Amino acid sequence: GAGVSQSPSNKVTEKGKDVELRCDPISGHTALYWYRQSLGQGLEFLIYFQGNSAPDKSGLPSDRFSAERTGGSVSTLTIQRTQQEDSAVYLCASSFGRGLDTEAFFGQGTRLTVV
Amino acid sequence: GESVGLHLPTLSVQEGDNSIINCAYSNSASDYFIWYKQESGKGPQFIIDIRSNMDKRQGQRVTVLLNKTVKHLSLQIAATQPGDSAVYFCAENKTGNQFYFGTGTSLTVIP
Repeated sequence: GAGVSQSPSNKVTEKGKDVELRCDPISGHTALYWYRQSLGQGLEFLIYFQGNSAPDKSGLPSDRFSAERTGGSVSTLTIQRTQQEDSAVYLCASSFGRGLDTEAFFGQGTRLTVV
Repeated sequence: GESVGLHLPTLSVQEGDNSIINCAYSNSASDYFIWYKQESGKGPQFIIDIRSNMDKRQGQRVTVLLNKTVKHLSLQIAATQPGDSAVYFCAENKTGNQFYFGTGTSLTVIP
């Protein structure tokens, strides 16, 4: 597609359920980021993928959070046993990564509400 | 200016005035910088970028200034309009490595 695509755009889930959020990066982009943004707050880094390198998971807030990137393209962020404090907008971004100075492009985000 | 924590600094300006949003970046080796604008309900969008071999770059109504000595980046918006109300993020990058985004600054334009 022309841009970074995230699905679903909105997700309401019950506390304790698992959720999966999907990100389709721009074709050819080797770098992929996940960020979390709570209402009225700034961007909170979660995880960074670059090609086949080991991901930088330093931003994941707990072991309930995990992410995969299959085939160097699509990424899935999984939150297990969701809690109300997980409610936020989850943003994905992608960029060309190594060797090129170009911007990171963001998707529109997935708004997660845990009730 | 932007801070390490997630609390959003705020800036209010009168319509027609100039706005200055500041950002302190952390890595002296960073060589590429971007400003993003995030409107309500949308993802951040690119505004302007600058490379470390430059001190200043101008776009349409926006200017980015880079001071590598003190690791400071600023975004100047001329003749601020209501449509400029948004959250503004800076991002730093060392070529080939990951981007690091600032927390953001919320700009409110008062009509």
